[in-house]
Amino acid sequence: AIRMTQSPSSFSASTGDRVTITCRASQGISSYLAWYQQRPGKAPKLLIYAASTLQSGVPSRFSGSGSGTDFTLTISCLQSEDFATYYCQQYYSYPRTFGQGTKVEIK
Amino acid sequence: EVQLVESGGGLVQPGGSLRLSCAASGFTLSSYWMSWVRQAPGKGLEWVANIKQDGSEKYYVDSVKGRFTISRDNAKNSLYLQMNSLRAEDTAVYYCARPRAIDITLDAFDIWGQGTMVTVSS
Repeated sequence: AIRMTQSPSSFSASTGDRVTITCRASQGISSYLAWYQQRPGKAPKLLIYAASTLQSGVPSRFSGSGSGTDFTLTISCLQSEDFATYYCQQYYSYPRTFGQGTKVEIK
Repeated sequence: EVQLVESGGGLVQPGGSLRLSCAASGFTLSSYWMSWVRQAPGKGLEWVANIKQDGSEKYYVDSVKGRFTISRDNAKNSLYLQMNSLRAEDTAVYYCARPRAIDITLDAFDIWGQGTMVTVSS
């Protein structure tokens, strides 16, 4: 199975900050990577697919980059509603696997 | 409105069985691969199973192989997960999820249900 490792696991930030979350795959997955946001008690929400394509309706402050094994999710100007947990997921091969999650907390 | 609604969760003893259902509305289920994803309390997301549009291909995470069966009834616009020989470690919220596009095997999940809680405990 392809292992997805996110860093950091959690961090504190302030509204207006630029934040970056990284995701590393244990083997190459081309651009078959998605990013999800999950708020407490809610289902995950798709933010980015194909590593860098913004899902319809998602604010442009979210962006993704990378290919192969190294990927990043960037939030250019953190808003209050962005405090949540973020997951990367590879859909290159079975089993589909998720990163362990990165919790973004209010400083 | 495109929607997925899960049902069938509950409390079950170790070794017991449960069948989850996922009702789809607002789109034609038969056009999409479908999936189950679970999340143990306080933990991350774990993909469980996928099923092809016509049910001819199914994939499972190793930890549920031989115990769980994914199926679908396109005429009823419904997806199912039959869970047998349940263990404490199967305790989780179970989500059904739909990929973004039809006829694409490799795709992210853009539609999720609200989830149904399964608790395995004596």
